[in-house]
Amino acid sequence: DAGITQSPRHKVTETGTPVTLRCHQTENHRYMYWYRQDPGHGLRLIHYSYGVKDTDKGEVSDGYSVSRSKTEDFLLTLESATSSQTSVYFCASSGEVNTGELFFGEGSRLTVL
Amino acid sequence: KQEVTQIPAALSVPEGENLVLNCSFTDSAIYNLQWFRQDPGKGLTSLLLIQSSQREQTSGRLNASLDKSSGRSTLYIAASQPGDSATYLCAVNDQGGSEKLVFGKGTKLTVNP
Repeated sequence: DAGITQSPRHKVTETGTPVTLRCHQTENHRYMYWYRQDPGHGLRLIHYSYGVKDTDKGEVSDGYSVSRSKTEDFLLTLESATSSQTSVYFCASSGEVNTGELFFGEGSRLTVL
Repeated sequence: KQEVTQIPAALSVPEGENLVLNCSFTDSAIYNLQWFRQDPGKGLTSLLLIQSSQREQTSGRLNASLDKSSGRSTLYIAASQPGDSATYLCAVNDQGGSEKLVFGKGTKLTVNP
């Protein structure tokens, strides 16, 4: 299994506060992704990165920003958390964009009160 | 727009039974299809990756097939065990790139002892 760790694994915060989730991978994968998983919606792509400092928006990017200053780290920031952002967030990485296998972290459960 | 459907949403079988999980997709222009397993509260674990040029992949008791022309993939589990209980998701890597990975909503499998 690819070495992908997410932190924190659980977080409870209040509406309006900023939140940063961290994803760290040890596989030297070029491509990294942030997804959210919600009942009835399945997995939806928030943002992705195709290299250091190269990121782009996914399907549900509003209210989220990302940064990738090193190959191994991909940060997801909620600038001002809202209750609709209560979800489980998954980070994933891949070595190849079109043919590569996707590997996931264990997830970060965020509750916004 | 690519859509991925998994039917049924839930399946319950007795231990020892051979079973098939289904995944269908609407656009046959794909790079690959990947099957994942998700245990409650956990991340997704990659099971099998089938490239568009392949017809099937096997790993232990698991066999995944791909029929691009009909937009279908099946995951065959032989001699099911209670430890196979999990949610199984398929994801299609659309030819728009990995950021276009489209997930089904999964089939929740319960194997009863």
